[in-house]
Amino acid sequence: GENVEQHPSTLSVQEGDSAVIKCTYSDSASNYFPWYKQELGKRPQLIIDIRSNVGEKKDQRIAVTLNKTAKHFSLHITETQPEDSAVYFCAASKGYSTLTFGKGTMLLVSP
Amino acid sequence: SQTIHQWPATLVQPVGSPLSLECTVEGTSNPNLYWYRQAAGRGLQLLFYSVGIGQISSEVPQNLSASRPQDRQFILSSKKLLLSDSGFYLCAWRTSGNNNEQFFGPGTRLTVL
Repeated sequence: GENVEQHPSTLSVQEGDSAVIKCTYSDSASNYFPWYKQELGKRPQLIIDIRSNVGEKKDQRIAVTLNKTAKHFSLHITETQPEDSAVYFCAASKGYSTLTFGKGTMLLVSP
Repeated sequence: SQTIHQWPATLVQPVGSPLSLECTVEGTSNPNLYWYRQAAGRGLQLLFYSVGIGQISSEVPQNLSASRPQDRQFILSSKKLLLSDSGFYLCAWRTSGNNNEQFFGPGTRLTVL
């Protein structure tokens, strides 16, 4: 089955810096890659996703890139703010299969 | 618009007691439904998923069970809780079809003492 590795497990940045979280997947047939943000005690919220027919997608300060050849995708957050502090999860799936999640990255943004 | 509900929001139960958590979805038909568990500070563990009424797939062996008595209702149960059942239980839904977005409910925080 699919295996998703996520790095780093913890990321500390200063406010205004950029943050990058990387994920790799094992199944070359996977074609849907969402990212979730989970604030402390809350549910995971879908923040951005990308499908395998595009290489990059951007939404304001958040962008996701996909390299199908290397089987990895990344989340980029620019101009980080303290409210970006949360745990971020990547995931992958193909067709009708269930999502396979990474283990999460705790992002800490210091003022 | 679609809405997903879970109850109760929090629950404290003694070891050996039964459990019933409920999840309902509004505003969509024939959704795929999922139960996840998240231990403190950990990732998301898929427990069960369902693609239709009465259809349940189990991802991990455990003392939990799931049922889907109606199209938009998903129930997680246990006859006897263990200490290791403590965690944050999240229900999620996804439109049936190819590669559609998945959305989580607000969760139930279960503490087994």
